[in-house]
Amino acid sequence: NAGVTQTPKFQVLKTGQSMTLQCAQDMNHNSMYWYRQDPGMGLRLIYYSASEGTTDKGEVPNGYNVSRLNKREFSLRLESAAPSQTSVYFCASSAGISSASTQYFGPGTRLLVL
Amino acid sequence: KNQVEQSPQSLIILEGKNCTLQCNYTVSPFSNLRWYKQDTGRGPVSLTIMTFSENTKSNGRYTATLDADTKQSSLHITASQLSDSASYICVVSLYNTNAGKSTFGDGTTLTVKP
Repeated sequence: NAGVTQTPKFQVLKTGQSMTLQCAQDMNHNSMYWYRQDPGMGLRLIYYSASEGTTDKGEVPNGYNVSRLNKREFSLRLESAAPSQTSVYFCASSAGISSASTQYFGPGTRLLVL
Repeated sequence: KNQVEQSPQSLIILEGKNCTLQCNYTVSPFSNLRWYKQDTGRGPVSLTIMTFSENTKSNGRYTATLDADTKQSSLHITASQLSDSASYICVVSLYNTNAGKSTFGDGTTLTVKP
C-alpha cells in the first residue's frame, strides 16, 4: 500500500520558471492538503481540498495554484517561482475534512529556487 | 491570533532516559490537540489526538496529557530509544471548524544519543 506519493522528490528551478508538484493517494480519501515547511518552522497550509471538485485557500496561498484532478490526485503549481518559495512541500490526505480525521503525509518534495 | 508554542526548541537526551515536551496554545474555542512525530526527511506521522474531555492518551512509550483549563499539553516519552530522534509537532484545532483551520507549532527537535 503506497499511501501518499509525491513527485518529484527534489527539484531545482530558476527564478521565474514554473512547475507542478504532483500528489496521489490510494486510500480512497476525500480530503487532500498541500503544506510547506521552511527550516526551523512549522508546517503551513497552502491549499486544501475538502472533497473532489472543491479547493480552498490555506494560510499561505499566494504564488500557488492547485488542481484536484480527481479523487486520487491533487497538484500544486508554481506559475513563476521565487527564491522565497524554496522549501519542502508536503502533500497529505485524510478520510474527511474534520480536524479529528487523521492526515497521512507524503515523503515531501524538496524545492530549491535560485 | 491563535498560536501554538512548543518548548524546548531542541533537546538532547541519553538513550533510556525519559523526557517531556511541552505545547502551550491560545486557540479558542478548542476542539482537539494532536501530536505528530516527524523523522528527518520524512512526512509527519500522527501519534495521538485528544479532545477537550480527554486528559491522557497513550501510544506505546508515548503519553500525551492535556489540561484544557490552562491550555497546555505535554508529550512524555518513556525509556527513549535512538529511533525516537525526530521532530515532534503539536497541532491544535478550533471548535466547529475543519482541518484547514488547524494551527501547527514549530516543533521540538529531539536527539537521543547512545
